[in-house]
Amino acid sequence: DTGVSQDPRHKITKRGQNVTFRCDPISEHNRLYWYRQTLGQGPEFLTYFQNEAQLEKSRLLSDRFSAERPKGSFSTLEIQRTEQGDSAMYLCASSSGTGSWANVLTFGAGSRLTVL
Amino acid sequence: GESVGLHLPTLSVQEGDNSIINCAYSNSASDYFIWYKQESGKGPQFIIDIRSNMDKRQGQRVTVLLNKTVKHLSLQIAATQPGDSAVYFCAENGGSSNTGKLIFGQGTTLQVKP
Repeated sequence: DTGVSQDPRHKITKRGQNVTFRCDPISEHNRLYWYRQTLGQGPEFLTYFQNEAQLEKSRLLSDRFSAERPKGSFSTLEIQRTEQGDSAMYLCASSSGTGSWANVLTFGAGSRLTVL
Repeated sequence: GESVGLHLPTLSVQEGDNSIINCAYSNSASDYFIWYKQESGKGPQFIIDIRSNMDKRQGQRVTVLLNKTVKHLSLQIAATQPGDSAVYFCAENGGSSNTGKLIFGQGTTLQVKP
């Protein structure tokens, strides 16, 4: 297992375009998380899944954002009609979801989005 | 409101010295705290965690101290090495037990001088 994989690592797009990021978690982890990190700041929680169920969404996740985890394995995060304020690093993480270990997140390297 | 913050944005230490990185939190409902290390171009990496029923926990070269009275958390790194250079984040669970929903502080950049 190579850890949490994210693709693409970098995406440059024009304002108004749609973008999609993919995350492949650690295979035995049933929980998957999306966080957003802007320059100089700590990560901010966006949403998380347990298996295929999306259990919680942050208020940061506007209706232009949608996340899916259709088979309880990989996940996608789509941003529609991108805005310059969406420029950030989108981090995916996974955890075993068992007791206190649910809080020990293993993060991927992130997908950096630049909206021109 | 909720906030998790670090007292200093940058900490510069000499190689071999001990480093202490501080963090203040305001949510008294938080019962779990965690430190992450983030190197340039990488995602955050777990260092050590502590539950609110403890006041100290030790790992390999790292120690986390928790003072619930003043809502303060610190990370001590012994014999700091160049490979320790990174941004360090503290995070709390805001009382959301075992969800993995964490509230991160802004981070402290640790610079290790050779």
